[in-house]
Amino acid sequence: AQSVTQLDSQVPVFEEAPVELRCNYSSSVSVYLFWYVQYPNQGLQLLLKYLSGSTLVKGINGFEAEFNKSQTSFHLRKPSVHISDTAEYFCAVISLKGAQKLVFGQGTRLTINP
Amino acid sequence: EPEVTQTPSHQVTQMGQEVILRCVPISNHLYFYWYRQILGQKVEFLVSFYNNEISEKSEIFDDQFSVERPDGSNFTLKIRSTKLEDSAMYFCASSVGRPPGELFFGEGSRLTVL
Repeated sequence: AQSVTQLDSQVPVFEEAPVELRCNYSSSVSVYLFWYVQYPNQGLQLLLKYLSGSTLVKGINGFEAEFNKSQTSFHLRKPSVHISDTAEYFCAVISLKGAQKLVFGQGTRLTINP
Repeated sequence: EPEVTQTPSHQVTQMGQEVILRCVPISNHLYFYWYRQILGQKVEFLVSFYNNEISEKSEIFDDQFSVERPDGSNFTLKIRSTKLEDSAMYFCASSVGRPPGELFFGEGSRLTVL
């Protein structure tokens, strides 16, 4: 079974500041990793995913994430945030074999202050 | 841009009543899913559906739940006799292929059971 932990439930930052949203996972098998974003009153939207290859993955809206297998982490970063990045961010994993289900973390609410 | 649509956006029902949540997946997608998020908790997998049958379901998806694709465009989730603990946001998703192909999520249907 897999589990995902997002260490921060809320992260407030000032506009144009850098941000890192932390995600750690636990799994007995290899996994694919994802970050989803949920803007207010909208559905979940894929930001980026790691399947294989380079451990640094770039996504939409200037976000990137780095897969660290030894630390079982997949932290999300953006060098300079904008007011429009205010949203809930979800880290998720899915196992390489068998199960078709995404296992989500509890989410991190990112609030950008002017 | 094609999107997954869900109705209703919010439904309030009495305990013990039947509820049907409706979803229209993206037209060329073949895999369909329901996830739910109880307030303050993680997004949880309920069920996946492919080729007109359930391909995987979670422990949550007991005999009170059923899914159907009645007409080739809609994908429904039925809860036969709602309980207070069924109150949650229910998300429909669809994908072209099996995960880790991208899942496209709807905006969610909020179910409140009184």
